[in-house]
Amino acid sequence: AQTVTQSQPEMSVQEAETVTLSCTYDTSESDYYLFWYKQPPSRQMILVIRQEAYKQQNATENRFSVNFQKAAKSFSLKISDSQLGDAAMYFCAYRSWDSNSGYALNFGKGTSLLVTP
Amino acid sequence: DTEVTQTPKHLVMGMTNKKSLKCEQHMGHRAMYWYKQKAKKPPELMFVYSYEKLSINESVPSRFSPECPNSSLLNLHLHALQPEDSALYLCASSHHPDSATNEKLFFGSGTQLSVL
Repeated sequence: AQTVTQSQPEMSVQEAETVTLSCTYDTSESDYYLFWYKQPPSRQMILVIRQEAYKQQNATENRFSVNFQKAAKSFSLKISDSQLGDAAMYFCAYRSWDSNSGYALNFGKGTSLLVTP
Repeated sequence: DTEVTQTPKHLVMGMTNKKSLKCEQHMGHRAMYWYKQKAKKPPELMFVYSYEKLSINESVPSRFSPECPNSSLLNLHLHALQPEDSALYLCASSHHPDSATNEKLFFGSGTQLSVL
């Protein structure tokens, strides 16, 4: 089974600064997808960014970018120019085909991001 | 319409009650999921429906009974729950269950369940 590890239970960043959230995963698959989901206090799960494993180029979505290191099985999220609305729980997630779980997502334990004025 | 709609948003029930959670999507998605999420924990997969058939049951107790009446609807029937079942129940959907491009899940806003 694939595992996703987020080693930072909590992170804090000052408004307008940059913060990086770490994620590592374990898999024997060569083709898979990686995601960062954001869950604000409303508890709605919101897709932030996604990365296909076969693409070497790091994904970018406005202020959000990833550093994908396939050999190291690392998938960190960088948030630039942090805003108060970025405060949330951030989950790293992995998805590949598995005969038992199909294409279901495997989530890390999450990192709680606090943004201070 | 790119929404997954869950009702009710909040539910309080006793251990002897029978209740149902509902989930609806009109995006033509053929895979639908139930996740359970305890506070400050990641979502845990409970059930997966592919083309209206139950394809995955992650060893969930029988007091939880899923149902997929059609491709747009997903229900979770609850009976004789325990206080430890109190959690946020999230529904999600995605395009084609067995497609390599089927990588994005759309989540509903969840039902916050309290079992007394």
